[in-house]
Amino acid sequence: DADVTQTPRNRITKTGKRIMLECSQTKGHDRMYWYRQDPGLGLRLIYYSFDVKDINKGEISDGYSVSRQAQAKFSLSLESAIPNQTALYFCATSDPDRGRTDTQYFGPGTRLTVL
Amino acid sequence: AQTVTQSQPEMSVQEAETVTLSCTYDTSENNYYLFWYKQPPSRQMILVIRQEAYKQQNATENRFSVNFQKAAKSFSLKISDSQLGDTAMYFCAFSGMNSGYSTLTFGKGTMLLVSP
Repeated sequence: DADVTQTPRNRITKTGKRIMLECSQTKGHDRMYWYRQDPGLGLRLIYYSFDVKDINKGEISDGYSVSRQAQAKFSLSLESAIPNQTALYFCATSDPDRGRTDTQYFGPGTRLTVL
Repeated sequence: AQTVTQSQPEMSVQEAETVTLSCTYDTSENNYYLFWYKQPPSRQMILVIRQEAYKQQNATENRFSVNFQKAAKSFSLKISDSQLGDTAMYFCAFSGMNSGYSTLTFGKGTMLLVSP
């Protein structure tokens, strides 16, 4: 069973529509992240959350919002989708290991196409 | 801000041979971590190896090893005895103390093709 799941796996939508991408994890991790992957650009951080009450903007948060409904759930919303938000979206989780860095574990990704 | 540079957009290697993927980074931090992630055609992001900057010994994981040169800010990945299943996009990533060692900065990736 997958530890980090993302729904939907693929989505095609139209410009101006509101879209929500969901992420759930069974790893018991406190920290959750949303990244975006574009061809030739690698992954870029959109938002991250260290716990339910802590939400932080990443490198490219404009046009996105997030909700941390519970420790295990972290949703990404596009309030009014535009074509340049077409990308592969990844959720990740981590759990710091007492003074050491926390390794991030990724979900399978959601491919979003905005027409 | 940190930057991570992967100067090889694509590389090819034959099965059973050894290949080295390059990564350089720029940071003013002294304490940080470096990672290599693999993304096969399934698009899943898989951690390959992790290096802690305060450790001088290079990390190894089976056929995968790194050459970490802190002064040169270089972090290359060596894959020995390449296998067809190693065909994937490989990303180098950095995590620094200023972010609580949590957020990752990625390079743009190197596409590795292993041929029979």
